[in-house]
Amino acid sequence: GIQVEQSPPDLILQEGANSTLRCNFSDSVNNLQWFHQNPWGQLINLFYIPSGTKQNGRLSATTVATERYSLLYISSSQTTDSGVYFCAVRGNTPLVFGKGTRLSVIA
Amino acid sequence: KAGVTQTPRYLIKTRGQQVTLSCSPISGHRSVSWYQQTPGQGLQFLFEYFSETQRNKGNFPGRFSGRQFSNSRSEMNVSTLELGDSALYLCASSARLAGGPSSYNEQFFGPGTRLTVL
Repeated sequence: GIQVEQSPPDLILQEGANSTLRCNFSDSVNNLQWFHQNPWGQLINLFYIPSGTKQNGRLSATTVATERYSLLYISSSQTTDSGVYFCAVRGNTPLVFGKGTRLSVIA
Repeated sequence: KAGVTQTPRYLIKTRGQQVTLSCSPISGHRSVSWYQQTPGQGLQFLFEYFSETQRNKGNFPGRFSGRQFSNSRSEMNVSTLELGDSALYLCASSARLAGGPSSYNEQFFGPGTRLTVL
């Protein structure tokens, strides 16, 4: 099945810093989503981005489907950005999640 | 539009018991999927339902089962609970069963049911 690798596994940032999270996948996909899991466990949808680039406020994402990777950019990070960020992809199988990047933003 | 709802939010059971979790999808969504999240294994796919039919099943033992009703609501059942079944169980809905890249395939998750097996 599809393998999804996220990097880095852990990231500690000072408030106001920028960061880039990466998601590599092993096969062609039809769907790709980025999520933020809050401390209570809820998965919050950030982007549905099987290809191309999208922006939403301080967050933006780019997926290069032909090269099998996606990037999530967080600019001017805030303490509320802390949590785990997941990439999930779907080809001919149900949604497959990476292990996540745990982001800690320090004031 | 209301989001995906799951009940109960928290549950404590003992080994050997069975449990039923419920999920109500976003209005108009017909596809419901279930996932198990544990610290060791991460997020793993359990089942996917569309139009009351199971379309996909993950690699879990037969103690895990589910169903979908005509109103798209779904339930999952775990029988003969084991300590290792302690996890966060997440339900997700999408407008349709996944095909090509379409926003109708975007999955939205509920808040989860946190199950503790003692």
